[in-house]
Amino acid sequence: KNQVEQSPQSLIILEGKNCTLQCNYTVSPFSNLRWYKQDTGRGPVSLTIMTFSENTKSNGRYTATLDADTKQSSLHITASQLSDSASYICVVRPTSGTYKYIFGTGTRLKVLA
Amino acid sequence: DADVTQTPRNRITKTGKRIMLECSQTKGHDRMYWYRQDPGLGLRLIYYSFDVKDINKGEISDGYSVSRQAQAKFSLSLESAIPNQTALYFCATRGTGGDEQFFGPGTRLTVL
Repeated sequence: KNQVEQSPQSLIILEGKNCTLQCNYTVSPFSNLRWYKQDTGRGPVSLTIMTFSENTKSNGRYTATLDADTKQSSLHITASQLSDSASYICVVRPTSGTYKYIFGTGTRLKVLA
Repeated sequence: DADVTQTPRNRITKTGKRIMLECSQTKGHDRMYWYRQDPGLGLRLIYYSFDVKDINKGEISDGYSVSRQAQAKFSLSLESAIPNQTALYFCATRGTGGDEQFFGPGTRLTVL
């Protein structure tokens, strides 16, 4: 069964610190892996996308990595800000099924001043 | 800018009532989706539509129906709401040839 699991479930860090969120998936084969940020009361917004052949992708202070051999991805946030407080969702798109996206359960990040 | 809008944003209703959630988009996308989000679970697909005449069930369509009134409008109905349909509902759009889904702000539905 295609699954996407994220850890930790929640995380609290101090402003200015770095953190790394994990995503493990069993989806195979897959076209791409995307990280979304979901602010409270809002819909998810795309942060990064990586195809199966890419290893890393950055978007400002956000850097995503992908290891297709171990089926793991991580999202690293550098010099966290209060506005980084949100849920981060990992989404994998299988190669088959044009409509299909497999969503992780998300990591809820809280950045404290 | 509200490219994808959802109405209402919040709704409290009672068991057995009929509810309609509406989604409109100005992105010109042909593909639209309805998802529900529950605590501890990833978003799950209810229905999706690739154009006005193409509507398909997702993984959890039981108890729901949809209507694609126009390319820009996609409505989700709960014919007889039940408490376990209490959730956050998201509409999303995607353009042909594109991969990214663009989500609306969500509707928080509570069924008492």
